[in-house]
Amino acid sequence: AQSVTQLGSHVSVSEGALVLLRCNYSSSVPPYLFWYVQYPNQGLQLLLKYTSAATLVKGINGFEAEFKKSETSFHLTKPSAHMSDAAEYFCAVSANFGNEKLTFGTGTRLTIIP
Amino acid sequence: EPEVTQTPSHQVTQMGQEVILRCVPISNHLYFYWYRQILGQKVEFLVSFYNNEISEKSEIFDDQFSVERPDGSNFTLKIRSTKLEDSAMYFCASVDRANYGYTFGSGTRLTVV
Repeated sequence: AQSVTQLGSHVSVSEGALVLLRCNYSSSVPPYLFWYVQYPNQGLQLLLKYTSAATLVKGINGFEAEFKKSETSFHLTKPSAHMSDAAEYFCAVSANFGNEKLTFGTGTRLTIIP
Repeated sequence: EPEVTQTPSHQVTQMGQEVILRCVPISNHLYFYWYRQILGQKVEFLVSFYNNEISEKSEIFDDQFSVERPDGSNFTLKIRSTKLEDSAMYFCASVDRANYGYTFGSGTRLTVV
């Protein structure tokens, strides 16, 4: 079975500071990993995905994540936070692609301090 | 960019009533999913659908739930007799295996009163 653990249900950073949202996964097979963002009262928007190609994945809005097998991690980073980054972020894992469900973490609410 | 469309965006229903949540997946996608998110909680898998049949379902997806693709374009989730605890945001997703793309709809917020 696959699972993800997101450390920190709430993270606050100052505008312009580094954003680091942590995700660790557990998977019995090579995983597919995803980060989604959810703005208030909206749906899930894909930020980026890891599909066993490059370990450093670049996504939308300046976010990137690095797959580290040795640490079973897929942390999300952004060099400089912007007020518009305030949202809920979900890490998700799948054992396969397409014909396999996503298993989501509990989410991290990111607050940006002006 | 192609979108997954869900209707209605918000539905209020009385406990015990039947509701149908509708989704129009992206036209060339073959795998379809329903997920739900109870307020303040994580997104949970309900059911996956491929080739006009359920391929996997979670423990949440009990006999009160059903899915179908009645006309080759719509993908519906029916809740036969709603309970208070069914109040949640329900998300539809369709998948493009070629491009590793899960696309989610904007959700239907179901409120059972």
